Amino acid sequence: DGGITQSPKYLFRKEGQNVTLSCEQNLNHDAMYWYRQDPGQGLRLIYYSQIVNDFQKGDIAEGYSVSREKKESFPLTVTSAQKNPTAFYLCASSITSGRADEQYFGPGTRLTVT
Amino acid sequence: GDSVTQMEGPVTLSEEAFLTINCTYTATGYPSLFWYVQYPGEGLQLLLKATKADDKGSNKGFEATYRKETTSFHLEKGSVQVSDSAVYFCALRAFAGNMLTFGGGTRLMVKP
Repeated sequence: DGGITQSPKYLFRKEGQNVTLSCEQNLNHDAMYWYRQDPGQGLRLIYYSQIVNDFQKGDIAEGYSVSREKKESFPLTVTSAQKNPTAFYLCASSITSGRADEQYFGPGTRLTVT
Repeated sequence: GDSVTQMEGPVTLSEEAFLTINCTYTATGYPSLFWYVQYPGEGLQLLLKATKADDKGSNKGFEATYRKETTSFHLEKGSVQVSDSAVYFCALRAFAGNMLTFGGGTRLMVKP
């Protein structure tokens, strides 16, 4: 079955620690995205990548970093510089970044930093 | 910049009631419009989409029509079920853009 996997589903970290969230897709999609969702709010784009070895900042990239070394993988690192990292993180992918392309979402990772 | 505005929830309905969730947008040119649904603890799933004015997207009994004159894309369903309880997000993708802009989401609760 094709799809997007995110692991783990729940993640707990102490303040001041970096943490990396995994996102893998086997849909052969070129484009991948990371979103952040806060309670009662919509999704905000953190980073996106249209092709391997290339990525662009979204609306709220500060305190986050990404890499795209393989087509199927797009890990997100939440650094200690992110002032309010506790949130639900969603990874998505699409065939390309074209206007009408559907984005497919993973199940999400809920990160809690204390 | 582009933006999407949805009616605030929660929307609480009885089973078999008619559903409307309002969505209006601001964008230059001709964006594509989408409705996504999020069930508790899960990611988002595409519910329907429309890519040009007057297009009607439909899926699982839900419908939405792309109205350029009113810049709207309201979601409707004639008879909701308990299983429709979820959060619904309206989103747009600009004509020349490659990112989705989401509304704030509307929580729907359907009671038996």
